[in-house]
Amino acid sequence: AQSVTQLGSHVSVSEGALVLLRCNYSSSVPPYLFWYVQYPNQGLQLLLKYTTGATLVKGINGFEAEFKKSETSFHLTKPSAHMSDAAEYFCAVTLSGGYNKLIFGAGTRLAVHP
Amino acid sequence: DTAVSQTPKYLVTQMGNDKSIKCEQNLGHDTMYWYKQDSKKFLKIMFSYNNKELIINETVPNRFSPKSPDKAHLNLHINSLELGDSAVYFCASSQSSGIGDTQYFGPGTRLTVL
Repeated sequence: AQSVTQLGSHVSVSEGALVLLRCNYSSSVPPYLFWYVQYPNQGLQLLLKYTTGATLVKGINGFEAEFKKSETSFHLTKPSAHMSDAAEYFCAVTLSGGYNKLIFGAGTRLAVHP
Repeated sequence: DTAVSQTPKYLVTQMGNDKSIKCEQNLGHDTMYWYKQDSKKFLKIMFSYNNKELIINETVPNRFSPKSPDKAHLNLHINSLELGDSAVYFCASSQSSGIGDTQYFGPGTRLTVL
């Protein structure tokens, strides 16, 4: 079965520090990979996605992620955290050969402290 | 302009009641979805419609019935509400049902069953 694992349900960083949120997937077919952000009491907003082509993907708000097939990973990074980055982050996958069904990881709550 | 809107934003009701949640998108998309986010923030797809046709129907109790009167609207009707139905329900839409098409989420409807 396909699945998405996000390591660390809570991550805390200092303002200005590197943000690294981890995501691994399991799939027997090529995946399409997504990172969404959810601010408190709001819906989900797409940060970035990988479909095909360049494996380093840049998204909004200074975030980027790299698809590493050999490691089945799609970790999200940002060089310098801002207070406004505090939110819940979800990694998700859809799989070729089926419908456009997002399978989500459990989410990682990012806290940014001064 | 709100791209994907849901009504109501909050819904508090008693066990056994029947309720509906409405979703509208003004993006001109062909495909719409319902997701459920439980109390642990886990997101899972429930249904998807493409041009008013049901294409994804996950393992959901048949008390839940989606209806798509046109491709801009997707409603969710829930009969005989149970405590376990308490969750945040998100509507989403995408240009097509093609794999990897970005899904745009609404703000969510928080359903509380007492």
